[in-house]
Amino acid sequence: AQSVTQPDIHITVSEGASLELRCNYSYGATPYLFWYVQSPGQGLQLLLKYFSGDTLVQGIKGFEAEFKRSQSSFNLRKPSVHWSDAAEYFCAVGANTGNQFYFGTGTSLTVIP
Amino acid sequence: NAGVTQTPKFRVLKTGQSMTLLCAQDMNHEYMYWYRQDPGMGLRLIHYSVGEGTTAKGEVPDGYNVSRLKKQNFLLGLESAAPSQTSVYFCATHSRLNQPQHFGDGTRLSIL
Repeated sequence: AQSVTQPDIHITVSEGASLELRCNYSYGATPYLFWYVQSPGQGLQLLLKYFSGDTLVQGIKGFEAEFKRSQSSFNLRKPSVHWSDAAEYFCAVGANTGNQFYFGTGTSLTVIP
Repeated sequence: NAGVTQTPKFRVLKTGQSMTLLCAQDMNHEYMYWYRQDPGMGLRLIHYSVGEGTTAKGEVPDGYNVSRLKKQNFLLGLESAAPSQTSVYFCATHSRLNQPQHFGDGTRLSIL
């Protein structure tokens, strides 16, 4: 069965520090992978997506993610975090044989000055 | 361009009452979804639709019904609300299978 695991429930980083949010997935074929960000009281906004090709994908707001098939991972990174990056981050897998998406339980990011 | 609009944004119900949540999209997307979001559980799929007139069950469909009479609207109904249905409900759409979803801002529903 398809599943997405985000091992870190909550992460705290200092402003200006680098960030890596982990995502592991379970899927039989090559998945469609997404990272979304959710600010308080808002819906989810797409940060970036991976369908095929280059395994390092660039997104909005300076984020990037790397698809590693051998590790079944799609970790999100940012070289220098800004206070405005504080939010909830969700990794998701889209099934390429169906109409469903599978979400991780999210990682809450706190940024301290 | 409104994108995905959910109404209402907030609602408080008493146990046993019924209500309908509306999701409206102006992007001409075929696929529409209803999720619920609960603390520590991420998003769980309630029902979805692959086109006008179609609906299908997701992971947690019990206690909910849906209808997609018009392509732009996807309605989520609670026939007899229960406290366990207290949650934040999100509607999402996308244009085809390998495209990302677009989300509404959510409906915060409390059932007393």
